[in-house]
Amino acid sequence: GDSVTQMEGPVTLSEEAFLTINCTYTATGYPSLFWYVQYPGEGLQLLLKATKADDKGSNKGFEATYRKETTSFHLEKGSVQVSDSAVYFCALSDPVGGSYIPTFGRGTSLIVHP
Amino acid sequence: ETGVTQSPTHLIKTRGQQVTLRCSSQSGHNTVSWYQQALGQGPQFIFQYYREEENGRGNFPPRFSGLQFPNYSSELNVNALELDDSALYLCASSLDPGQSNTEAFFGQGTRLTVV
Repeated sequence: GDSVTQMEGPVTLSEEAFLTINCTYTATGYPSLFWYVQYPGEGLQLLLKATKADDKGSNKGFEATYRKETTSFHLEKGSVQVSDSAVYFCALSDPVGGSYIPTFGRGTSLIVHP
Repeated sequence: ETGVTQSPTHLIKTRGQQVTLRCSSQSGHNTVSWYQQALGQGPQFIFQYYREEENGRGNFPPRFSGLQFPNYSSELNVNALELDDSALYLCASSLDPGQSNTEAFFGQGTRLTVV
């Protein structure tokens, strides 16, 4: 079945540091890929997405590129802020009986210090 | 702006009891999905409802059941609660499940504790 693997957290960085959170996937079909963010006490919010190979999703300074050859969708940001502290989830959406049900990774906690 | 609301926000139940969680979908969305998120884990898909019909189910036992109403709001019912059912339950609404890039909008979740 489909699965998503993320790097273990927490990832602890100083403000303005470069961020990479690794994500790899396995899928039977040709999935769409997503990054969601969950702030403390809240539900998940879509951060960015990519629907085909070599697409780059971007939002709020975060970027991720759909790499079909390496089955990866790593999240990057050039300069993190304290307000970026949250849990980040990589997810894929693959058709199951005609319905695209998202499969989520376990999440990676990011802690940014001033 | 998600527009998805869940109630209640927190709930404590005793093992063996039954619970009903509620979700109001974002305006115009006809699809609701429910997820269970255990502490430190990613959301696990429970089931999805599209236009009042179940449209997919994850690996959860039959004591997890659901309902979607004509206004597309939804309920999640769990019977015979077990301690392992303690988790954050998330509801997500979207428009039309048959699109690969459909964005799901999540509610803030209901934190269920079973004692």
